Amino acid sequence: GAVVSQHPSRVICKSGTSVKIECRSLDFQATTMFWYRQFPKQSLMLMATSNEGSKATYEQGVEKDKFLINHASLTLSTLTVTSAHPEDSSFYICSASYGAGITDTQYFGPGTRLTVL
Amino acid sequence: GESVGLHLPTLSVQEGDNSIINCAYSNSASDYFIWYKQESGKGPQFIIDIRSNMDKRQGQRVTVLLNKTVKHLSLQIAATQPGDSAVYFCAENSGGGGSQGNLIFGKGTKLSVKP
Repeated sequence: GAVVSQHPSRVICKSGTSVKIECRSLDFQATTMFWYRQFPKQSLMLMATSNEGSKATYEQGVEKDKFLINHASLTLSTLTVTSAHPEDSSFYICSASYGAGITDTQYFGPGTRLTVL
Repeated sequence: GESVGLHLPTLSVQEGDNSIINCAYSNSASDYFIWYKQESGKGPQFIIDIRSNMDKRQGQRVTVLLNKTVKHLSLQIAATQPGDSAVYFCAENSGGGGSQGNLIFGKGTKLSVKP
């Protein structure tokens, strides 16, 4: 149980276009979903936290107007990278948890590799 | 700011040997720690966790040790197998304020297992 999927797994786009990444909890309802970014050979950096039906909370330095997050249901959150540029190329990973408590396990998706040309 | 770091960026071990991966954390308020395994091109996979009221926890072939005095966390893998080859991250959660539930990841250690 506790499977999280992401779609697409890999996307290549032109500079200036927008890209939407979906994160789904397949067999449980996720109260909270998290979005991370990981550059090559680096650690995961939290971008934002979203709770179903409310606005996402962004980490310092993450532009909320550039990285639009929607958590419309308990099983789906989307991240839209607007007007993507080459520096946005990265591995984007989502996670989902049953709750927002500190010991609520985060189940991670397989990641989405974004390449902006 | 507060951060979680690792002593060893790479670790190479022989199949069958035990592996020890270390992590230093700086936030003394952190009370929940997790080890994740990440294979190339995949998302992190939960391995084991530990609360700050414990100093040791064992799983299948893995043991996590927590030393709050020196703010040090370690992951021990017994009888390391080629399938254990991956990058291992420690993560901490202080549960404070608006960041409740948020994880701070360490830099990662790449474990290579030689057959």
